[in-house]
Amino acid sequence: GAVVSQHPSWVICKSGTSVKIECRSLDFQATTMFWYRQFPKQSLMLMATSNEGSKATYEQGVEKDKFLINHASLTLSTLTVTSAHPEDSSFYICSAPRGQGVNTIYFGEGSWLTVV
Amino acid sequence: GENVEQHPSTLSVQEGDSAVIKCTYSDSASNYFPWYKQELGKRPQLIIDIRSNVGEKKDQRIAVTLNKTAKHFSLHITETQPEDSAVYFCAAGQQTSGSRLTFGEGTQLTVNP
Repeated sequence: GAVVSQHPSWVICKSGTSVKIECRSLDFQATTMFWYRQFPKQSLMLMATSNEGSKATYEQGVEKDKFLINHASLTLSTLTVTSAHPEDSSFYICSAPRGQGVNTIYFGEGSWLTVV
Repeated sequence: GENVEQHPSTLSVQEGDSAVIKCTYSDSASNYFPWYKQELGKRPQLIIDIRSNVGEKKDQRIAVTLNKTAKHFSLHITETQPEDSAVYFCAAGQQTSGSRLTFGEGTQLTVNP
């Protein structure tokens, strides 16, 4: 079964509004989670590293004020797309490493965001 | 930072044939190399991974080889089946840095019946 759960799977929002996407680790704690964006027929691009109890680390070119990340607990990270625009429409997906020392990375189901 | 290149971008094979996808990476500190299969609109699924202390790993029809000196690793699928058709991504990262992965561009594999 799934070890990382993401919600919602689909969301449509109006331009200018904000959308929150949740990523949960199931039955394990994740001090670190990762947020990716994937455009159609393209690869996964790392947006930011979510760190429990501290600020997220953003990749170059990713606006931290636009893509707000909060890692409030050891099992939950949220990505909020603020003031969304049509060009933000994409597939957003999170991942979390599971295990001690040698670990395996699992992905959430992904969230399709459409901004109209 | 890490840079991962993946070839080919598309690959079409006949059912029963083998398929090989190759990746190169740039950061010699990378020590974890997973391969993911992604079907349209779904999450990437880990199919096999290899760590830098081994050169080859096999799981039924799937195998991965790693050459750390040359900084390249490959995915081998034997006896391909139509259900193997998907996009395959390689990735590289360091497990000591919290499993931050850099992905290749992906390979669209089509297995023709």
